[in-house]
Amino acid sequence: KQEVTQIPAALSVPEGENLVLNCSFTDSAIYNLQWFRQDPGKGLTSLLLIQSSQREQTSGRLNASLDKSSGRSTLYIAASQPGDSATYLCAVNQTGANNLFFGTGTRLTVIP
Amino acid sequence: DTAVSQTPKYLVTQMGNDKSIKCEQNLGHDTMYWYKQDSKKFLKIMFSYNNKELIINETVPNRFSPKSPDKAHLNLHINSLELGDSAVYFCASSRDHSTDTQYFGPGTRLTVL
Repeated sequence: KQEVTQIPAALSVPEGENLVLNCSFTDSAIYNLQWFRQDPGKGLTSLLLIQSSQREQTSGRLNASLDKSSGRSTLYIAASQPGDSATYLCAVNQTGANNLFFGTGTRLTVIP
Repeated sequence: DTAVSQTPKYLVTQMGNDKSIKCEQNLGHDTMYWYKQDSKKFLKIMFSYNNKELIINETVPNRFSPKSPDKAHLNLHINSLELGDSAVYFCASSRDHSTDTQYFGPGTRLTVL
C-alpha cells in the first residue's frame, strides 16, 4: 500500500532564506506527484504537478523535483516570504488507484 | 466564479442525525472526489466518481453515501452521525481520474456533538 512521508513536520525560517521540503513515497508506480498548499482553515491550493515522466517543474519561486525510482520529491522555495507560511502537502497519484495518497504535511513558518 | 464550491462551510449537529454536504464544480471536469481530513490533518480519499459512476469507494462505512445527480455535482449524505465523523470534508474535481491536477473546494467542517 502506498505510504507518503514528509519531513520535517514543521519548519521555521527567517524571511529571505531558501528552503527545501521533502516528500518520500513507497510505491514508485505513480502517474504523477502534486504539491499543495493549505492555509489554516482553508482548502488546498495546487502549486505544482509533476508527471511521472518529468524530473522537475517550476513556478515562480517554487521548484519541485521528482526522482521516481528512489521514491522522492523535493519542493524548493527560493527567497521565502512571510506569505509563504502555510502547510505544504505532497500527494502521489498512484497507477491503478486513481486517487491521491497524501503525506502528513510540513507546516512552514517564515519569520519576518 | 468559484471553481469547486461546497455547502455548508460549517456543520454542527447531534449524534444520530442525518446530514448532507453539497459539492458543485463549474470546471467541466469528468471526475469528482470526496476526501476526509481528520484531527491530525491527514487527508484520505473516500469516494471518486467519474462521469456520475462510482470509481473508488475506500473503506468507508456505508452510513456515507455519495450521490452524483450530474457530472457537476457530487453530494455526500451521512446517516446516523457518530462522534468520530467529526472532520473536515473536502470535495475535489479533475479533468480525468489519472493524470490531471485535482482542484479542491474550501472544505466543510463537520462537528458531531
